[in-house]
Amino acid sequence: KQEVTQIPAALSVPEGENLVLNCSFTDSAIYNLQWFRQDPGKGLTSLLLIQSSQREQTSGRLNASLDKSSGRSTLYIAASQPGDSATYLCAVKSAGNQFYFGTGTSLTVIP
Amino acid sequence: EAQVTQNPRYLITVTGKKLTVTCSQNMNHEYMSWYRQDPGLGLRQIYYSMNVEVTDKGDVPEGYKVSRKEKRNFPLILESPSPNQTSLYFCASSSTQWLHGYTFGSGTRLTVV
Repeated sequence: KQEVTQIPAALSVPEGENLVLNCSFTDSAIYNLQWFRQDPGKGLTSLLLIQSSQREQTSGRLNASLDKSSGRSTLYIAASQPGDSATYLCAVKSAGNQFYFGTGTSLTVIP
Repeated sequence: EAQVTQNPRYLITVTGKKLTVTCSQNMNHEYMSWYRQDPGLGLRQIYYSMNVEVTDKGDVPEGYKVSRKEKRNFPLILESPSPNQTSLYFCASSSTQWLHGYTFGSGTRLTVV
């Protein structure tokens, strides 16, 4: 069974800093990996989707990379802002009928 | 706008009173799923459906029922809710080509007293 891990569970950075969030998975046979943002008590908003054949995706200040062979993905946030404060989740679609989620990294950007 | 719509957003009910949370998607997705999210436990899958009339248990199906009579709708039924089902619930959908990722609804905050 696929296992997805996100470390650290919580991260606090000063505004303007560049940061990296990590996601690791145990089975490299994946269809895709998706990064989500969740504000407290709210739904999951898709940030970036990386297909298994891709190495990275970019959207604005966000860049996600994928290394299937090592079972790792990173989400890079440039020039962090207080509005980036949220929980960030990664999800992996493997063979089979389920998506596998990490438990998230709670990010706080301090003004 | 492509979306997954859940209703209601908030629900307070009493133990044992049957309730249904609706979920509808307008993207013609084959795959639909329900999750619950609890502090410290992350997202846990309740049920999923690969297509009309095809449903299967996720990790925490006890106390829940689902049906998939139409492709767009996937209601979650709690026939006799208990306080331990107090949680934040999410519906999600995807095509089974898995090309466009997973789309989530806005969530339903359920409180069972």
